[in-house]
Amino acid sequence: DGGITQSPKYLFRKEGQNVTLSCEQNLNHDAMYWYRQDPGQGLRLIYYSQIVNDFQKGDIAEGYSVSREKKESFPLTVTSAQKNPTAFYLCASGHTNYGYTFGSGTRLTVV
Amino acid sequence: GEDVEQSLFLSVREGDSSVINCTYTDSSSTYLYWYKQEPGAGLQLLTYIFSNMDMKQDQRLTVLLNKKDKHLSLRIADTQTGDSAIYFCAESIGWGYNKLIFGAGTRLAVHP
Repeated sequence: DGGITQSPKYLFRKEGQNVTLSCEQNLNHDAMYWYRQDPGQGLRLIYYSQIVNDFQKGDIAEGYSVSREKKESFPLTVTSAQKNPTAFYLCASGHTNYGYTFGSGTRLTVV
Repeated sequence: GEDVEQSLFLSVREGDSSVINCTYTDSSSTYLYWYKQEPGAGLQLLTYIFSNMDMKQDQRLTVLLNKKDKHLSLRIADTQTGDSAIYFCAESIGWGYNKLIFGAGTRLAVHP
């Protein structure tokens, strides 16, 4: 089955630590996206990539970094510079003409 | 600017129709979408409508688009308890791999 897989489902980060969230898709989509979801708010775009080896900042890129070395993979690193990282992170892929396919999300908590 | 607004909460009785409303500000929107999110899960695309259409029907779902007023609605007929979720409206601007702009989501609660 084609789909988009995020891992882990739950992640705990200590203060000052970098963590990496995984996102893999086998839908042969060129474009991939990372969104952050906070309670009572819509999804906010962190980074997106339209093609391998290229990515652009979204609305809230500070404190995050990404890479796109393979078409299938778009990992997100939450760095220690992100002061309020506790949130639900959603990865998506696809074309805006047809709607995105979303992964099941990673819930990140600072401990 | 780009902005999508939705009411935050809607409560309906099982078997009734639900209508979730959304307004957007960018007149150059090309596609508008409705997504469903169940607790702890990702977003599931329910339906979408192209900006030159007024209405789209898909089984129990009816989408109405009033482009003049920049108003989008989602009607769910015969609402069931399994429809309880958060519903997000989203718009795409322009063509190609542009980002989607999401509303804050409407939490639909279905009660007996």
